[in-house]
Amino acid sequence: SQQGEEDPQALSIQEGENATMNCSYKTSINNLQWYRQNSGRGLVHLILIRSNEREKHSGRLRVTLDTSKKSSSLLITASRAADTASYFCATSSGGSYIPTFGRGTSLIVHP
Amino acid sequence: SQTIHQWPATLVQPVGSPLSLECTVEGTSNPNLYWYRQAAGRGLQLLFYSVGIGQISSEVPQNLSASRPQDRQFILSSKKLLLSDSGFYLCAWSAGRVRGYNEQFFGPGTRLTVL
Repeated sequence: SQQGEEDPQALSIQEGENATMNCSYKTSINNLQWYRQNSGRGLVHLILIRSNEREKHSGRLRVTLDTSKKSSSLLITASRAADTASYFCATSSGGSYIPTFGRGTSLIVHP
Repeated sequence: SQTIHQWPATLVQPVGSPLSLECTVEGTSNPNLYWYRQAAGRGLQLLFYSVGIGQISSEVPQNLSASRPQDRQFILSSKKLLLSDSGFYLCAWSAGRVRGYNEQFFGPGTRLTVL
């Protein structure tokens, strides 16, 4: 099964700055999801973007999808210390409804 | 609203001992249920998923098994733990089997250490 790969593996920024994380994948997808995981906790679903969509927003989050480049980006604007977490992309393709998770980007936001 | 519970939160077990982790979901019926394992600093590895009572699909050969005795209960078991079974175990559910509506909702996880 295919797996999205997040980039960078780690990101360290100051509070108030924007954080951008990328996800690349290899084959056509039905949808792509982003999740957040605080240390030692379960994952929390953030956004799902379907293959026929190019951009979605949720609060300070903006997700884009470029199917021609097989990539997606997650932008967190005006970051806060509470945004410190690992962020995972998960792709679903073919006939499967089960998403496959990447290894994640570890984001640290310094106050 | 739907909630998902996992217990215990942490567990330290000796090699060769049995294991039973439990996951229950409230507020929904006929959910898809999943067990994942996450190694330190790594992504999620899907271990088992279930689309109904008694229906278990295994994704990787391993020392673990899963059961779904009730609609909203999912159990992860082992008869004899190995050191390599250590990790963070996550249970999740999703509502549908339609490809475009497959958001997953995760429990708080169980940290298992095998010594």
